[in-house]
Amino acid sequence: GAGVSQTPSNKVTEKGKYVELRCDPISGHTALYWYRQSLGQGPEFLIYFQGTGAADDSGLPNDRFFAVRPEGSVSTLKIQRTERGDSAVYLCASSLNIADTQYFGPGTRLTVL
Amino acid sequence: GNSVTQMEGPVTLSEEAFLTINCTYTATGYPSLFWYVQYPGEGLQLLLKATKADDKGSNKGFEATYRKETTSFHLEKGSVQVSDSAVYFCALSDLGGLTGGGNKLTFGTGTQLKVEL
Repeated sequence: GAGVSQTPSNKVTEKGKYVELRCDPISGHTALYWYRQSLGQGPEFLIYFQGTGAADDSGLPNDRFFAVRPEGSVSTLKIQRTERGDSAVYLCASSLNIADTQYFGPGTRLTVL
Repeated sequence: GNSVTQMEGPVTLSEEAFLTINCTYTATGYPSLFWYVQYPGEGLQLLLKATKADDKGSNKGFEATYRKETTSFHLEKGSVQVSDSAVYFCALSDLGGLTGGGNKLTFGTGTQLKVEL
């Protein structure tokens, strides 16, 4: 079946702009995770959803970052007033339930000029 | 907090050579341990995992044993191929730990493997 998909694959924006990154998890997966991967680093956890609610948002770096999952499927990561330091690959993963293997999407490469 | 340390790369080997990529971890609870692989131009894929001490994960000729006494999860393969060239990430999740909050993964910085003919 279809894997995790993320759109767009690449996003270039200017400093101070607002961006939205979309994640479509594997159908039926209740848990959804967002990670951020900077160049030469491993992915770092941002936020986790179980169903519609954000169960753990301890990895969000500041209040410019926000994520939603209103119907328990698709999720959107929103970044306000982007900064050059936000440039990274944003990864989404989903799992059938909390204890299962996470399957990753291809990522969205965000570049803030 | 939780952390994962893995050997720096790049690691360059000849085809059919033996591979070891070291990984050690620090965790407050009872973590599960993972190796993920990222092939050029592709997304992260789970390679293998182990969920408790002394478990051995294996897949595609790769193996790793969960060693609680040394807090290690070293990745090994007896004979590498050019097609194994990729970046390998060691990771842990602490589902039952004090941090709670689901099954979030903590990753190492990754080790690039290059296999040459």
